[in-house]
Amino acid sequence: EAQVTQNPRYLITVTGKKLTVTCSQNMNHEYMSWYRQDPGLGLRQIYYSMNVEVTDKGDVPEGYKVSRKEKRNFPLILESPSPNQTSLYFCASSSSSSSGGNYEQYFGPGTRLTVT
Amino acid sequence: QKEVEQDPGPLSVPEGAIVSLNCTYSNSAFQYFMWYRQYSRKGPELLMYTYSSGNKEDGRFTAQVDKSSKYISLFIRDSQPSDSATYLCVPAGGGNKLTFGTGTQLKVEL
Repeated sequence: EAQVTQNPRYLITVTGKKLTVTCSQNMNHEYMSWYRQDPGLGLRQIYYSMNVEVTDKGDVPEGYKVSRKEKRNFPLILESPSPNQTSLYFCASSSSSSSGGNYEQYFGPGTRLTVT
Repeated sequence: QKEVEQDPGPLSVPEGAIVSLNCTYSNSAFQYFMWYRQYSRKGPELLMYTYSSGNKEDGRFTAQVDKSSKYISLFIRDSQPSDSATYLCVPAGGGNKLTFGTGTQLKVEL
């Protein structure tokens, strides 16, 4: 089954304790992205990756890191989480397209993070 | 001004009603227009995609784009309780960047 998986699905942590949220896709997609979703603000892009070893900042990258060492995996790292990073996080992937862009993105089930 | 504006709802309708969901945007460079559907506790999924102005129909769903007024609509005919979800308006200018609206929550009641 084609899917994007994220782990963990739920996480409660304390300020300053480094954490990693994993994301993996089995569709051989080149493009992967991380979003956070907050009430009234919608989905905002944190980082994205066009392919292995190619990453770039989205709209809200502060406080986050990513890496793309393998095509299928795109982990999100919070080196020193703060309460304002409490949010619902989604990983997404899509194939690269020469026309139309990556309009069909496949989303993971989400990770609900609470930082106290 | 936000790039994409949607009424957050919730919009509550009886089963079988025709639903109209609307969205406005500000960036003239947008040329691809998507509607994503997000069920509670799930990730968004692509529902419909249109390019430039015009209408596109897919079963009970019709997407309408008016680029001159920067106005996007999604119509749902014969709405069902299974249509209860949040609908995200997502215009794009090509490439990889998607700009998500905050979504309209729809509830279809029996």
